[in-house]
Amino acid sequence: DTAVSQTPKYLVTQMGNDKSIKCEQNLGHDTMYWYKQDSKKFLKIMFSYNNKELIINETVPNRFSPKSPDKAHLNLHINSLELGDSAVYFCASTATATSGNTIYFGEGSWLTVV
Amino acid sequence: TQLLEQSPQFLSIQEGENLTVYCNSSSVFSSLQWYRQEPGEGPVLLVTVVTGGEVKKLKRLTFQFGDARKDSSLHITAAQPGDTGLYLCAGVRNTGKLIFGQGTTLQVKP
Repeated sequence: DTAVSQTPKYLVTQMGNDKSIKCEQNLGHDTMYWYKQDSKKFLKIMFSYNNKELIINETVPNRFSPKSPDKAHLNLHINSLELGDSAVYFCASTATATSGNTIYFGEGSWLTVV
Repeated sequence: TQLLEQSPQFLSIQEGENLTVYCNSSSVFSSLQWYRQEPGEGPVLLVTVVTGGEVKKLKRLTFQFGDARKDSSLHITAAQPGDTGLYLCAGVRNTGKLIFGQGTTLQVKP
């Protein structure tokens, strides 16, 4: 069983469209994240949720809206997609958001905006 | 501003050679983690170092945390083609937030 699963794995869409990426973890973790990895492989946190509550919201455009219906799910909705949104988006989870805990990453969702 | 400077960014070596990857910061972290990422997959945690000066070994990989908890190194002995991948260091804040370095792409040629 995949611990952190995200869908879709690949997504090609036109500028201006709205799209969602879904994430689910079956590890019983309290904390979930969305990370963005750019073309230079730099990985940066976007959002963090703990028990459905937003705890980290980095400087991300308002077009990005995370939603956590329960602590096992954290979805990412993106409005009015732009070319610069093209990247790999990783969902991740950890037991609790404390130092030293193992963070488990999903396999990534490759978003290409054309 | 890049809080964690990782070097080198690219490394191509022959099988059997040794290598060291460095991760440096002006900030103190509560711990530091090293991840390995293969193409088409997410990063996978290799090790967490917590104490200043700590050294951990994972088979041919040796990880060290600086005394001041600002820097770390990853040393691979007798590299093998299976070591090929992207290596990422990440400083961990007290909140659990990870600050990643730029990554080191390692290619080990047979």
